[in-house]
Amino acid sequence: AQSVTQLGSHVSVSEGALVLLRCNYSSSVPPYLFWYVQYPNQGLQLLLKYTSAATLVKGINGFEAEFKKSETSFHLTKPSAHMSDAAEYFCAVSFFGNEKLTFGTGTRLTIIP
Amino acid sequence: GAVVSQHPSRVICKSGTSVKIECRSLDFQATTMFWYRQFPKQSLMLMATSNEGSKATYEQGVEKDKFLINHASLTLSTLTVTSAHPEDSSFYICSATGLTNTGELFFGEGSRLTVL
Repeated sequence: AQSVTQLGSHVSVSEGALVLLRCNYSSSVPPYLFWYVQYPNQGLQLLLKYTSAATLVKGINGFEAEFKKSETSFHLTKPSAHMSDAAEYFCAVSFFGNEKLTFGTGTRLTIIP
Repeated sequence: GAVVSQHPSRVICKSGTSVKIECRSLDFQATTMFWYRQFPKQSLMLMATSNEGSKATYEQGVEKDKFLINHASLTLSTLTVTSAHPEDSSFYICSATGLTNTGELFFGEGSRLTVL
C-alpha cells in the first residue's frame, strides 16, 4: 500500500519569499513521486516528478523537490514566490508498472503581496 | 506534453437525468484512462480505471451502475452519470497514459457537474 501526507492544508507566504510545501510518503516499494498544481476550475498540471534518477528534481516555474529516502519526504520548494504561484498543490505517489496515482489532500498556497 | 481534453467543461442538469462526459487524448494513444472525482477543497479520489476495449475496474465504494465508463477506442473514454442526483454534483477529472512506464499521467481540464 502507498500513501502521501501533505502537512498544512493552507500555506501563506509573502511575494519573493521562500515557498516550502511538505510531502511525506509511505510505500512498500520504491516510489515514483509527483507534484501537481491545480488552478481554480482546472485540471492538474505536472510540476515535476521523481522516478528513481536524481534525487533533486527540477520542475517548471522554478520549482524543485528533493527525494529523501531516510526521511520519506519529497518537499516542494521555490526560492522566490510569485503572485502567479497561488494555487492548490498536490503531492502524489505511484510505483513502477502502475500508473494509478494516490494523491495527498492538497495544500492551498496563498501569496501575500 | 501530451494533451487530454474533456467535454463539457461545465454541465447543469436536472435530477434524474443522465449526463455524459467525454475524455479524449488528442495526440497520443491512451491505453489506460482514469476517472477521478474531486469534492470542493478536497483531493482527487480515483473512481475507476479503464483500459481500451475492456471493462472498467471500479474502486471500492463506487457504484458501477451509476457511473458508466466506456473506453471504446484508444483516444476516447466516456463517463456517464446515470439518474443524477444533487449529491453527484462534483468536479470530474480524467487522466490518460500511453505506452509509458514512468507513471506519468496527463490530465484533462475537468468537468464540473451541477445537478439541480
